[in-house]
Amino acid sequence: GNSVTQMEGPVTLSEEAFLTINCTYTATGYPSLFWYVQYPGEGLQLLLKATKADDKGSNKGFEATYRKETTSFHLEKGSVQVSDSAVYFCALRGSQGNLIFGKGTKLSVKP
Amino acid sequence: GAGVSQSPRYKVAKRGQDVALRCDPISGHVSLFWYQQALGQGPEFLTYFQNEAQLDKSGLPSDRFFAERPEGSVSTLKIQRTQQEDSAVYLCASSLRTGMNTGELFFGEGSRLTVL
Repeated sequence: GNSVTQMEGPVTLSEEAFLTINCTYTATGYPSLFWYVQYPGEGLQLLLKATKADDKGSNKGFEATYRKETTSFHLEKGSVQVSDSAVYFCALRGSQGNLIFGKGTKLSVKP
Repeated sequence: GAGVSQSPRYKVAKRGQDVALRCDPISGHVSLFWYQQALGQGPEFLTYFQNEAQLDKSGLPSDRFFAERPEGSVSTLKIQRTQQEDSAVYLCASSLRTGMNTGELFFGEGSRLTVL
């Protein structure tokens, strides 16, 4: 069945460091892929998405490229800020439109 | 506000009690999803509604869990005879469309259930 595997955290970085959070998926076909973010005390928010192979999603300085060869959708940001501290979830869309999530990666950015 | 609203935000129940969690989706959203998020885990799919029809309940962990959306808007997730393993955050999400063209899912802030 469909599943998502993402790197375990927590990840602790200094401000302005480069961020990579790995995400790989198992799926039938080529589902849409997503990164959601959960800031402390808030609900899940869509960060970015890609709907087909080689698409690059981007938002707020974050990027992720849909790689069907490696079944991956790694999240990257060139220079993180303290305000990026949150839990990040990789997800794919199932046939009913539901999302299948990874376990989440907690990011802490220190000033 | 215009977002997905869930209530109560926090619920403490004694083992064996019944609980009801409410979700008010964004007005006009056709699709509604319930998820269960255990501590330190990602959200796990529970059930899906298209308007008032429950099209998928494959994620409900036992027959103690029941969900309804009788008029195609507000939904209630009911858990009967709660157990400690039911302790989790229950998330509701809605979207404007259905199926593979569902579009963005908008999440509520969740209802945190603690079963003692």
